[in-house]
Amino acid sequence: KAGVTQTPRYLIKTRGQQVTLSCSPISGHRSVSWYQQTPGQGLQFLFEYFSETQRNKGNFPGRFSGRQFSNSRSEMNVSTLELGDSALYLCASSRPGQGKGGYTFGSGTRLTVV
Amino acid sequence: AQSVTQPDIHITVSEGASLELRCNYSYGATPYLFWYVQSPGQGLQLLLKYFSGDTLVQGIKGFEAEFKRSQSSFNLRKPSVHWSDAAEYFCAVFSGGSNYKLTFGKGTLLTVNP
Repeated sequence: KAGVTQTPRYLIKTRGQQVTLSCSPISGHRSVSWYQQTPGQGLQFLFEYFSETQRNKGNFPGRFSGRQFSNSRSEMNVSTLELGDSALYLCASSRPGQGKGGYTFGSGTRLTVV
Repeated sequence: AQSVTQPDIHITVSEGASLELRCNYSYGATPYLFWYVQSPGQGLQLLLKYFSGDTLVQGIKGFEAEFKRSQSSFNLRKPSVHWSDAAEYFCAVFSGGSNYKLTFGKGTLLTVNP
C-alpha cells in the first residue's frame, strides 16, 4: 500500500519567488494536513483539508495557501518567498473516522530559500 | 489553547539501557495523545496513541507510554534501547471541532551510545 507521497523532495528558490508543493494521500484518506518544521519553531500547523474544504488554518500569513482536489490530492502554495520560509514541509493524511490524530506523514519537502 | 511540553531537549543513553521520555500536555477536554518518531531527513512515524481506556498503551518497536491524567503526562518508555532508536521523538495532542489539528511538543533528540 503506497504511503503519503510528497513532491518534490527538495527545492531551492529565490526570495520573492513563489512555490507549489504537492501531496498525494494514502488511497481512501480524505483528510490532508500540512505542517511546517523548522529548528527554531518546531512543528507548526499550517492547514487541514477534508473533502476539498479547508477545516482549519494555522497562524501563518496569507502568503501561505492551499487547496485540495476531488481525488484528495492537496497542494500548498507560498508566494513572495522569504528566507524564513526555509523549512521542511510535511503533509499528513488520515481516513474518515481516524482523524483524531491518527495521521500518516509523508517524507516531506525540504524548501530552501536563498 | 492546547499545548505540549517536552522538558528534555536532548537525552543520551547507552545501548541496552532503559529509556523514559517525558511529555506534559495542556488540554481542556479528554486528550487524544500521540508519540511520533522522526529519523534525520524523514517524515514522522506514529509510535503509539492514546484515546481512552487502558492508560498503558503499547506501540511499535517495543515502546510503551503511560497516560496519567492527574499529572497531565504521557511519558514514553522502552526497557532496552537499541542503537537504531536514535532519532527525534515528538509528543502530540489532538484537538477537534473547529480547531482540528495536532499540536506538537518541541521534541526530544535521543542519542544512543554503543
